[in-house]
Amino acid sequence: NAGVMQNPRHLVRRRGQEARLRCSPMKGHSHVYWYRQLPEEGLKFMVYLQKENIIDESGMPKERFSAEFPKEGPSILRIQQVVRGDSAAYFCASSPFGMTTTYEQYFGPGTRLTVT
Amino acid sequence: AQTVTQSQPEMSVQEAETVTLSCTYDTSESDYYLFWYKQPPSRQMILVIRQEAYKQQNATENRFSVNFQKAAKSFSLKISDSQLGDAAMYFCAYGSAFQGGSEKLVFGKGTKLTVNP
Repeated sequence: NAGVMQNPRHLVRRRGQEARLRCSPMKGHSHVYWYRQLPEEGLKFMVYLQKENIIDESGMPKERFSAEFPKEGPSILRIQQVVRGDSAAYFCASSPFGMTTTYEQYFGPGTRLTVT
Repeated sequence: AQTVTQSQPEMSVQEAETVTLSCTYDTSESDYYLFWYKQPPSRQMILVIRQEAYKQQNATENRFSVNFQKAAKSFSLKISDSQLGDAAMYFCAYGSAFQGGSEKLVFGKGTKLTVNP
């Protein structure tokens, strides 16, 4: 069973461009979480999605950031008009049920976004 | 809101020795989970050990064990017989078990562990 997959692993964007980060959860997992890790910091929750639904986006910046998890295909984290402060590692995690049932999230290898 | 605090930014240990990493947390919930994750230079987040708050017995996974003090809201990680491969960032994390509560994990800032040969 393949683990959580994220691509690209490294992404370089110039200020003002768009960044699209993809996450394919583990097979059979319908719950996806996105976290951001700034340099020298722990992971910070951004958004929690189920298929075709955003369940909790309390950690998402109000502007420029959006996420989706369509019925078919990977989850996408989209950052429009990137700024240098968006440079970070973005991690995706998945679980087969909600946290309260399975109490474990499986993490992908992360995408390191660099904004120049 | 829940918070997780790791008060040791860096720790070092000699190979084969034992080291303890500290973690405290704050919550008003009675049912939750606690985790220790390891992040080596590859940046992959690896689950080391987890503890259910309702269990009084401390979790153990081979050389890794925890000291869970619910009343004190303390959750320390002990690594015995340290190996060079244990060198990494270690993150303590909190997850709610409350139905209808937040599904997110709350992480501490991490402790960088160095293992000296």
